[in-house]
Amino acid sequence: DTAVSQTPKYLVTQMGNDKSIKCEQNLGHDTMYWYKQDSKKFLKIMFSYNNKELIINETVPNRFSPKSPDKAHLNLHINSLELGDSAVYFCASSQVSSPFYNEQFFGPGTRLTVL
Amino acid sequence: KNEVEQSPQNLTAQEGEFITINCSYSVGISALHWLQQHPGGGIVSLFMLSSGKKKHGRLIATINIQEKHSSLHITASHPRDSAVYICAVSIAGGTSYGKLTFGQGTILTVHP
Repeated sequence: DTAVSQTPKYLVTQMGNDKSIKCEQNLGHDTMYWYKQDSKKFLKIMFSYNNKELIINETVPNRFSPKSPDKAHLNLHINSLELGDSAVYFCASSQVSSPFYNEQFFGPGTRLTVL
Repeated sequence: KNEVEQSPQNLTAQEGEFITINCSYSVGISALHWLQQHPGGGIVSLFMLSSGKKKHGRLIATINIQEKHSSLHITASHPRDSAVYICAVSIAGGTSYGKLTFGQGTILTVHP
């Protein structure tokens, strides 16, 4: 009965490879997010989709491309992986029916290690 | 300077102690969130509040909108409370769509 799920949980890959992380939520939420947590545990927004539309795109290299095939899914594709991409990536979702109230539900995270 | 500042960054306590973690922010917000991240890595939302005080079990969260400050209190702390506690804010304004801006986190260790 996982509310927000991510796959894979761990991802180890070589520099230069292309990889994808998948996220699914079964909460019926209209908004999904990708956050990056660095080695110091600091979290930062990367992208957000509302009803399949990209609405937030922070300063992220264009090697990162999110895709939302439907409201329940938000995937993250990363091209030409670099050492600095090593981090934990969290997907989250919320219902932003009112812009002023939105509890967010987080996925378990994907730990990406680039060698 | 980060828009959301937490203190302390590290906190060590003995079981049973009363714990306070503070969060200050410098922007207009629609809500403030307290999150918990256990060593296993998952993030759980503890509280979301925009005014006053909320209580859940041994956890209490308060917010002072005028002073742009929030506190998370843990009463009768227990080793299982050991985790990273993260303060985050939803920035006010229709274009933010609920995105969170995070503090640096407070690493809490409770010894038996």
